[in-house]
Amino acid sequence: AQSVSQHNHHVILSEAASLELGCNYSYGGTVNLFWYVQYPGQHLQLLLKYFSGDPLVKGIKGFEAEFIKSKFSFNLRKPSVQWSDTAEYFCAVKTGGFKTIFGAGTRLFVKA
Amino acid sequence: GAGVSQSPSNKVTEKGKDVELRCDPISGHTALYWYRQSLGQGLEFLIYFQGNSAPDKSGLPSDRFSAERTGGSVSTLTIQRTQQEDSAVYLCASSLVSGDTEAFFGQGTRLTVV
Repeated sequence: AQSVSQHNHHVILSEAASLELGCNYSYGGTVNLFWYVQYPGQHLQLLLKYFSGDPLVKGIKGFEAEFIKSKFSFNLRKPSVQWSDTAEYFCAVKTGGFKTIFGAGTRLFVKA
Repeated sequence: GAGVSQSPSNKVTEKGKDVELRCDPISGHTALYWYRQSLGQGLEFLIYFQGNSAPDKSGLPSDRFSAERTGGSVSTLTIQRTQQEDSAVYLCASSLVSGDTEAFFGQGTRLTVV
């Protein structure tokens, strides 16, 4: 069965530090990849997505992610985090049957 | 509607009672998902409806859980004989049925079984 692994459950950073959140998936077919974010007290919302083309995708608020097919990875990055990036981040994979599976999430806390 | 709407937003129920959670997806979205969000467990897939196809129920944790989607729109998740371990936030999401489209989430129903 397909699955999504997020390596870090909790991350604490100071403002201006760089961020990289790992995501690996297990599925042999074509996938579409997503990162969602849930700010405190808010809905889950899309941060960025990959479905084809350039494996480096850019999303909102300066976030980007790189799809490395050979590693089944879709890591999220941001060069310089802000206090307002404090949130929970979820990696998700949408398979050929269009079912979307999520990782366990990573809680990011940015110290001001 | 403008977004995915879930009701109620909070539900407290006694152990052993049945509960029904409702989801109104975005108009025109033929795919509908239910997930359960528990502390430290991430988003657990429960069930997926896609148009008129048979739903993918592979994530339902027990036969106490069931869901239906009437008329291809509104969905109801029913939990029978609730247990304390059912306490969680139940999230509904909808999307267009294509690979590159994202899911849009409701605000969730926080279920507490006492």
